[in-house]
Amino acid sequence: EPEVTQTPSHQVTQMGQEVILRCVPISNHLYFYWYRQILGQKVEFLVSFYNNEISEKSEIFDDQFSVERPDGSNFTLKIRSTKLEDSAMYFCASGGQGMYNEQFFGPGTRLTVL
Amino acid sequence: KNEVEQSPQNLTAQEGEFITINCSYSVGISALHWLQQHPGGGIVSLFMLSSGKKKHGRLIATINIQEKHSSLHITASHPRDSAVYICAVRPGANNLFFGTGTRLTVIP
Repeated sequence: EPEVTQTPSHQVTQMGQEVILRCVPISNHLYFYWYRQILGQKVEFLVSFYNNEISEKSEIFDDQFSVERPDGSNFTLKIRSTKLEDSAMYFCASGGQGMYNEQFFGPGTRLTVL
Repeated sequence: KNEVEQSPQNLTAQEGEFITINCSYSVGISALHWLQQHPGGGIVSLFMLSSGKKKHGRLIATINIQEKHSSLHITASHPRDSAVYICAVRPGANNLFFGTGTRLTVIP
């Protein structure tokens, strides 16, 4: 069964460093999402992406964040200068042909900023 | 502001019990999702529904759009059902707003 994959599973970085989190969505999906979950808190929407551009973003998704689909298969989230409060689990999700389709989540990347 | 409230926050049940988890939300939505999050953190989509009722195995999800309320039922609960169950609503096309989750523990 097709699934969303994410790498790495755990990333440790120093404050101020750039990180890139990678996701491979399900191959025929057209809608892509990033969510985050700070430890002990609820999952929060970051950004949605369709047709090679951001379709919606939350207040969390400030200028430190960017997304890219560089090669038609990967979908990346970049944090330019990490802060301690960026420590969280980051989930990628993808959805099918229509924007109202079910979303399928990856296993997550745990980001720890020291 | 989108509010998604789940109850109870924590639930402990004996194996075999019938379980109900409730979700209420405050805005109009295009769909509601029920998700399962295991201790390792991974999220699995259980249901997406916009009206009526869906059933998958021992899981049943219902939604009342007028009441802005949904329930997730688990029949004949089993220890492997132990997880956090999350309700998430989709007000528009692009994003989901999540509840805080219900932590279910099923005791053998």
